Amino acid sequence: SYVLTQPPSVSVAPGTTARITCGGNNIGSKSVHWYQQKPGQAPVLVIYYDTDRPSGIPERFSGSNPGNTATLTINRVEAGDEADYYCQVWDSSSDHVVFGGGTKLTVL
Amino acid sequence: QLQLQESGPGLVKPSETLSLTCTVSGGSISSSGYYWGWIRQPPGKGLEWIGSFYYSGSTYHNPSLKSRVTISVDTSKNQFSLRLSSVTAADTAMYYCARHVDSGAYSPQHYWGQGTLVTVSS
Repeated sequence: SYVLTQPPSVSVAPGTTARITCGGNNIGSKSVHWYQQKPGQAPVLVIYYDTDRPSGIPERFSGSNPGNTATLTINRVEAGDEADYYCQVWDSSSDHVVFGGGTKLTVL
Repeated sequence: QLQLQESGPGLVKPSETLSLTCTVSGGSISSSGYYWGWIRQPPGKGLEWIGSFYYSGSTYHNPSLKSRVTISVDTSKNQFSLRLSSVTAADTAMYYCARHVDSGAYSPQHYWGQGTLVTVSS
Protein backbone atom coordinates (compact mmCIF):
# COMPACT_ATOMS: atom_id res chain seq x y z
CA SER A 1 0.00 0.00 0.00
CA TYR A 2 1.02 3.60 -0.52
CA VAL A 3 3.17 5.14 2.21
CA LEU A 4 3.63 8.81 3.08
CA THR A 5 6.75 9.74 5.05
CA GLN A 6 6.98 12.84 7.22
CA PRO A 7 9.75 13.92 9.60
CA PRO A 8 8.60 13.39 13.20
CA SER A 9 9.54 16.90 14.22
CA VAL A 10 10.54 20.30 12.90
CA SER A 11 11.71 23.18 15.08
CA VAL A 12 11.96 26.82 14.02
CA ALA A 13 12.30 30.22 15.63
CA PRO A 14 9.42 32.70 15.54
CA GLY A 15 9.42 34.87 12.43
CA THR A 16 11.32 32.35 10.34
CA THR A 17 10.09 29.85 7.73
CA ALA A 18 9.04 26.30 8.52
CA ARG A 19 9.06 23.65 5.83
CA ILE A 20 7.39 20.31 6.48
CA THR A 21 7.93 17.60 3.93
CA CYS A 22 5.84 14.65 2.83
CA GLY A 23 7.46 11.96 0.76
CA GLY A 24 5.90 9.24 -1.32
CA ASN A 25 6.51 7.32 -4.49
CA ASN A 26 5.79 9.64 -7.41
CA ILE A 27 3.80 11.88 -5.05
CA GLY A 28 3.93 14.62 -7.67
CA SER A 29 1.30 12.69 -9.60
CA LYS A 30 -1.12 12.90 -6.67
CA SER A 31 -2.96 15.75 -5.00
CA VAL A 32 -1.67 16.42 -1.50
CA HIS A 33 -3.69 17.87 1.33
CA TRP A 34 -2.38 19.22 4.65
CA TYR A 35 -3.97 19.43 8.09
CA GLN A 36 -3.01 21.27 11.24
CA GLN A 37 -3.99 19.72 14.57
CA LYS A 38 -3.51 21.47 17.89
CA PRO A 39 -3.70 19.52 21.17
CA GLY A 40 -7.21 18.48 22.08
CA GLN A 41 -8.68 19.78 18.83
CA ALA A 42 -9.92 18.29 15.59
CA PRO A 43 -7.68 18.66 12.54
CA VAL A 44 -8.04 21.76 10.39
CA LEU A 45 -7.49 21.69 6.64
CA VAL A 46 -4.82 24.26 5.76
CA ILE A 47 -3.82 23.34 2.18
CA TYR A 48 -5.67 21.19 -0.34
CA TYR A 49 -5.03 20.04 -3.87
CA ASP A 50 -1.33 20.81 -3.39
CA THR A 51 -1.58 24.60 -3.28
CA ASP A 52 -5.13 25.78 -2.50
CA ARG A 53 -5.89 27.49 0.78
CA PRO A 54 -9.32 27.24 2.42
CA SER A 55 -11.04 30.42 3.40
CA GLY A 56 -9.72 31.75 6.68
CA ILE A 57 -6.26 30.17 6.42
CA PRO A 58 -3.52 32.83 6.47
CA GLU A 59 -1.52 33.44 3.31
CA ARG A 60 1.55 32.50 5.33
CA PHE A 61 0.60 28.88 4.65
CA SER A 62 1.47 27.52 1.21
CA GLY A 63 2.05 24.18 -0.42
CA SER A 64 4.02 22.70 -3.29
CA ASN A 65 4.27 19.27 -4.85
CA PRO A 66 6.78 19.23 -7.70
CA GLY A 67 8.12 15.68 -7.60
CA ASN A 68 8.81 13.03 -4.98
CA THR A 69 8.36 15.36 -2.03
CA ALA A 70 5.46 17.62 -1.21
CA THR A 71 6.13 20.54 1.10
CA LEU A 72 4.02 22.65 3.43
CA THR A 73 5.66 26.03 3.95
CA ILE A 74 4.75 28.35 6.79
CA ASN A 75 6.23 31.83 6.47
CA ARG A 76 6.78 34.18 9.41
CA VAL A 77 6.04 31.42 11.89
CA GLU A 78 4.08 32.40 14.99
CA ALA A 79 3.79 30.70 18.36
CA GLY A 80 0.20 29.82 17.45
CA ASP A 81 1.41 27.69 14.55
CA GLU A 82 2.82 25.13 16.96
CA ALA A 83 0.89 21.96 16.19
CA ASP A 84 1.00 18.58 14.51
CA TYR A 85 0.77 18.66 10.73
CA TYR A 86 -0.42 15.76 8.57
CA CYS A 87 -0.27 15.25 4.83
CA GLN A 88 -2.87 13.19 3.01
CA VAL A 89 -3.37 11.72 -0.45
CA TRP A 90 -5.83 9.49 -2.26
CA ASP A 91 -4.28 6.20 -3.31
CA SER A 92 -6.07 5.56 -6.58
CA SER A 93 -4.55 2.10 -6.97
CA SER A 94 -6.62 0.86 -4.05
CA ASP A 95 -9.18 3.64 -3.71
CA HIS A 96 -8.44 4.78 -0.22
CA VAL A 97 -7.15 7.73 1.80
CA VAL A 98 -3.62 7.67 3.16
CA PHE A 99 -2.28 9.93 5.91
CA GLY A 100 1.33 10.64 6.67
CA GLY A 101 2.54 9.91 10.17
CA GLY A 102 2.49 13.56 11.17
CA THR A 103 5.10 16.18 12.00
CA LYS A 104 5.23 18.07 15.26
CA LEU A 105 6.12 21.70 14.64
CA THR A 106 7.82 23.35 17.61
CA VAL A 107 8.22 27.11 17.71
CA LEU A 108 11.33 27.79 19.76
CA GLN B 1 -22.58 27.07 9.33
CA LEU B 2 -22.15 23.34 8.89
CA GLN B 3 -21.70 21.44 12.12
CA LEU B 4 -21.07 17.77 12.81
CA GLN B 5 -21.46 16.07 16.17
CA GLU B 6 -20.42 12.54 17.05
CA SER B 7 -22.29 10.54 19.67
CA GLY B 8 -22.17 7.06 21.09
CA PRO B 9 -20.85 4.94 23.97
CA GLY B 10 -17.48 5.93 25.31
CA LEU B 11 -16.70 2.42 26.49
CA VAL B 12 -17.03 -0.79 24.48
CA LYS B 13 -16.08 -4.30 25.55
CA PRO B 14 -13.61 -6.35 23.52
CA SER B 15 -15.18 -8.47 20.78
CA GLU B 16 -18.31 -6.30 20.77
CA THR B 17 -19.43 -3.80 18.13
CA LEU B 18 -18.63 -0.11 18.33
CA SER B 19 -21.51 2.08 17.15
CA LEU B 20 -21.28 5.82 16.59
CA THR B 21 -23.59 8.38 15.02
CA CYS B 22 -22.74 11.69 13.39
CA THR B 23 -25.49 14.30 13.41
CA VAL B 24 -25.21 16.99 10.76
CA SER B 25 -26.70 20.46 11.12
CA GLY B 26 -26.53 23.48 8.85
CA GLY B 27 -26.57 21.34 5.73
CA SER B 28 -28.21 18.26 4.25
CA ILE B 29 -26.36 15.01 3.69
CA SER B 30 -28.65 14.04 0.82
CA SER B 31 -28.65 17.26 -1.16
CA SER B 32 -25.16 18.51 -0.57
CA GLY B 33 -23.12 16.81 -3.27
CA TYR B 34 -20.32 15.96 -0.89
CA TYR B 35 -18.63 12.88 0.45
CA TRP B 36 -18.87 12.25 4.19
CA GLY B 37 -16.82 9.96 6.36
CA TRP B 38 -15.05 8.77 9.49
CA ILE B 39 -11.47 9.18 10.68
CA ARG B 40 -9.94 7.97 13.94
CA GLN B 41 -6.88 8.76 16.01
CA PRO B 42 -5.51 6.46 18.73
CA PRO B 43 -4.26 8.34 21.79
CA GLY B 44 -0.92 9.97 21.05
CA LYS B 45 -0.84 8.66 17.48
CA GLY B 46 -1.64 9.81 13.98
CA LEU B 47 -4.80 10.00 11.90
CA GLU B 48 -6.31 6.91 10.31
CA TRP B 49 -9.02 7.08 7.68
CA ILE B 50 -11.87 4.62 8.26
CA GLY B 51 -14.15 5.20 5.30
CA SER B 52 -16.17 7.65 3.23
CA PHE B 53 -19.51 7.59 1.44
CA TYR B 54 -21.73 9.53 -0.91
CA TYR B 55 -25.39 9.61 0.04
CA SER B 56 -26.45 7.97 -3.22
CA GLY B 57 -24.51 4.83 -2.39
CA SER B 58 -20.81 4.95 -3.23
CA THR B 59 -18.70 3.87 -0.28
CA TYR B 60 -14.97 3.44 0.26
CA HIS B 61 -13.29 1.80 3.26
CA ASN B 62 -9.81 1.46 4.64
CA PRO B 63 -8.64 -1.95 3.41
CA SER B 64 -7.21 -2.74 6.83
CA LEU B 65 -10.63 -2.31 8.45
CA LYS B 66 -12.96 -3.09 5.59
CA SER B 67 -14.28 -6.42 6.78
CA ARG B 68 -15.29 -4.95 10.16
CA VAL B 69 -16.67 -1.58 9.06
CA THR B 70 -20.21 -0.63 8.14
CA ILE B 71 -21.12 2.95 7.30
CA SER B 72 -24.79 3.78 6.90
CA VAL B 73 -26.85 6.93 6.45
CA ASP B 74 -30.28 8.05 7.66
CA THR B 75 -31.23 11.00 5.50
CA SER B 76 -34.49 11.52 7.36
CA LYS B 77 -32.53 12.32 10.50
CA ASN B 78 -29.58 13.89 8.64
CA GLN B 79 -27.27 11.44 10.37
CA PHE B 80 -24.74 8.84 9.37
CA SER B 81 -23.35 6.02 11.43
CA LEU B 82 -20.31 3.86 11.92
CA ARG B 83 -20.31 0.29 13.11
CA LEU B 84 -17.01 -1.45 13.80
CA SER B 85 -17.29 -5.08 14.78
CA SER B 86 -15.07 -7.37 16.84
CA VAL B 87 -13.23 -4.52 18.51
CA THR B 88 -9.98 -4.88 20.41
CA ALA B 89 -7.89 -2.52 22.49
CA ALA B 90 -6.26 -1.39 19.25
CA ASP B 91 -9.56 0.25 18.27
CA THR B 92 -9.35 2.63 21.23
CA ALA B 93 -9.26 6.05 19.63
CA MET B 94 -10.82 9.44 19.13
CA TYR B 95 -13.36 9.02 16.35
CA TYR B 96 -14.16 11.95 14.08
CA CYS B 97 -16.87 12.37 11.49
CA ALA B 98 -16.20 14.80 8.66
CA ARG B 99 -17.43 16.22 5.38
CA HIS B 100 -15.19 16.27 2.34
CA VAL B 101 -14.45 19.40 0.34
CA ASP B 102 -16.39 18.26 -2.72
CA SER B 103 -18.08 15.33 -4.43
CA GLY B 104 -14.89 13.30 -4.81
CA ALA B 105 -13.87 10.63 -2.34
CA TYR B 106 -10.33 11.74 -3.16
CA SER B 107 -11.01 15.21 -1.80
CA PRO B 108 -9.87 16.21 1.69
CA GLN B 109 -12.04 16.50 4.77
CA HIS B 110 -12.97 20.14 5.36
CA TYR B 111 -15.52 20.12 8.16
CA TRP B 112 -14.89 17.96 11.22
CA GLY B 113 -16.81 17.08 14.33
CA GLN B 114 -15.16 17.63 17.68
CA GLY B 115 -14.54 13.91 18.02
CA THR B 116 -15.62 11.32 20.54
CA LEU B 117 -13.27 9.11 22.52
CA VAL B 118 -14.04 5.41 22.47
CA THR B 119 -12.19 3.10 24.81
CA VAL B 120 -12.23 -0.65 24.32
CA SER B 121 -11.90 -2.35 27.66
CA SER B 122 -13.59 -5.02 29.73
